Amino acid sequence: GQNIDQPTEMTATEGAIVQINCTYQTSGFNGLFWYQQHAGEAPTFLSYNVLDGLEEKGRFSSFLSRSKGYSYLLLKELQMKDSASYLCAHMDSNYQLIWGAGTKLIIKP
Amino acid sequence: IAGITQAPTSQILAAGRRMTLRCTQDMRHNAMYWYRQDLGLGLRLIHYSNTAGTTGKGEVPDGYSVSRANTDDFPLTLASAVPSQTSVYFCASSEAGGGTYNEQFFGPGTRLTVL
Repeated sequence: GQNIDQPTEMTATEGAIVQINCTYQTSGFNGLFWYQQHAGEAPTFLSYNVLDGLEEKGRFSSFLSRSKGYSYLLLKELQMKDSASYLCAHMDSNYQLIWGAGTKLIIKP
Repeated sequence: IAGITQAPTSQILAAGRRMTLRCTQDMRHNAMYWYRQDLGLGLRLIHYSNTAGTTGKGEVPDGYSVSRANTDDFPLTLASAVPSQTSVYFCASSEAGGGTYNEQFFGPGTRLTVL
């Protein structure tokens, strides 16, 4: 079967660093996506990893370990506008996205 | 139009009624998708289309139907709405469907309540 897990909610302080973890189980793998979704809005693409390692994009970085079925999203220099839900999704053998329930990130001043 | 549009923005519907949610994209993307998003659950794929003229079933297709007569439009129809179909519905598109990395772009969503 296919399963994808991430924490329901996390809290962090403005200016700090936060790491959001995602674990998955799948019989076929074609990449790991992270999306950001502000309350009441549509998800927007943040990152894509298909090979092991760290991909850095400004304040956001995403890491993948295929052997461990594990990814994380690292957010640096947190800003209040980063308060949102962060959705992890892996692309299965049929090239469809399987989504986690999302991690709600609360930023406190 | 820029990107993906969905209509209506929100709708309250009596159980048993038929409803079509509209989705239009102007990016000439080949693939389009319909998801539902419910509190505490991830986005769940209802139906998809890898190219105009073809459709496929996702994880939760029962009670829904789609058509893809052209590249731009991908309507989702609820033949006879039930309260369990109360949800936020997102339409998405990507440049390619199947076989390649493809970032999905999402519409603003339709909030549907079935009473």
